[in-house]
Amino acid sequence: DGGITQSPKYLFRKEGQNVTLSCEQNLNHDAMYWYRQDPGQGLRLIYYSQIVNDFQKGDIAEGYSVSREKKESFPLTVTSAQKNPTAFYLCASSIAQYERWELFFGEGSRLTVL
Amino acid sequence: GQQVMQIPQYQHVQEGEDFTTYCNSSTTLSNIQWYKQRPGGHPVFLIQLVKSGEVKKQKRLTFQFGEAKKNSSLHITATQTTDVGTYFCAGRTSGTYKYIFGTGTRLKVLA
Repeated sequence: DGGITQSPKYLFRKEGQNVTLSCEQNLNHDAMYWYRQDPGQGLRLIYYSQIVNDFQKGDIAEGYSVSREKKESFPLTVTSAQKNPTAFYLCASSIAQYERWELFFGEGSRLTVL
Repeated sequence: GQQVMQIPQYQHVQEGEDFTTYCNSSTTLSNIQWYKQRPGGHPVFLIQLVKSGEVKKQKRLTFQFGEAKKNSSLHITATQTTDVGTYFCAGRTSGTYKYIFGTGTRLKVLA
């Protein structure tokens, strides 16, 4: 079964702690994305990556970090510098070529800071 | 920076009524996509529009891309309870892999 797997599905964190959200895809997609969604709001882009070992900041990158060491994996670290980290985090991937630009999303990770 | 706005933010309709959501970008887009997110779920791709003035249909759903490639609309004919969810547009500008999502329109269908 091809798809995108995010883990954990739910995560609780104390203030001041870093936490890493996992995103793995077996779709052989080149591009991967991290979005943040707050209740009743749209999706805001945190980081995206076009190829391995390369990534760009999105609109709200402050307090977050990513890595892209493997094509299949694009983990997101929410650092203690992120002022308001409680949110629903969505990872997505895309073929990003040959007019095939649709985003395939994982089921999301819901982070709550206590 | 690039912004994508959607209106309305919420829409409640009686089952069988029509529904339309509008998407406006501050910049010219290379393509625009539409997604549906059911309550508690993740966004699911519906369609992509690429050409100026393009119109595409999927059963009761009609999608349009404006002539200037800065706006788009989604129209649902004769809504059903299965249409409930939030509809997002997402635009990409030329030369980038970056997709900016609209603010979304939450649709509620009353039986």
